[in-house]
Amino acid sequence: GAVVSQHPSRVICKSGTSVKIECRSLDFQATTMFWYRQFPKQSLMLMATSNEGSKATYEQGVEKDKFLINHASLTLSTLTVTSAHPEDSSFYICSARDVGPGTGYTDTQYFGPGTRLTVL
Amino acid sequence: AQSVTQLDSHVSVSEGTPVLLRCNYSSSYSPSLFWYVQHPNKGLQLLLKYTSAATLVKGINGFEAEFKKSETSFHLTKPSAHMSDAAEYFCASSGTALIFGKGTTLSVSS
Repeated sequence: GAVVSQHPSRVICKSGTSVKIECRSLDFQATTMFWYRQFPKQSLMLMATSNEGSKATYEQGVEKDKFLINHASLTLSTLTVTSAHPEDSSFYICSARDVGPGTGYTDTQYFGPGTRLTVL
Repeated sequence: AQSVTQLDSHVSVSEGTPVLLRCNYSSSYSPSLFWYVQHPNKGLQLLLKYTSAATLVKGINGFEAEFKKSETSFHLTKPSAHMSDAAEYFCASSGTALIFGKGTTLSVSS
């Protein structure tokens, strides 16, 4: 249980194009999903928190117009990198917080396998 | 403010010897604490979590961690390392979102 998928796993695009990355919780519902960015040999940097049915909350320094986040359902969040540039090349990882049984939720986040974005 | 400090950026052990990856946290309350493992070009896999139940937490693949409030520590251990344990390990504390340490690279030699 608690599986999170990401698609695509790897994408190469030209500078100026937009890229959409999907994050799905396969066997649980997630009212909250998170998007992280990871540079080589570094820790994860939280970009934004995505709440189902409402606007995402972006961390300081993250351009919300460049990194569009949509969380249209309890199992799907998307990150669109608009007008991508080479400096946007990175490993993007999503996670989903398990709502948990009954009325409560656990604060455990389950991570997707990541998407390697390369912008030429 | 919450923070997580992983005391070693790189740990090297021989196969069959014990593993100790150190993590200290800073929080004004008792947080939930997690250890994740990341293999190259992969996402993070949850090893174990502490959520104020038992202070000694057992996880997957033979790993365990002990929550010590007096030392504000949550060190990860394994009695006997396997080659497949070589990976990046992250300690994290829960808040509005997870707060990660900088990671510890575990190398295992034969």
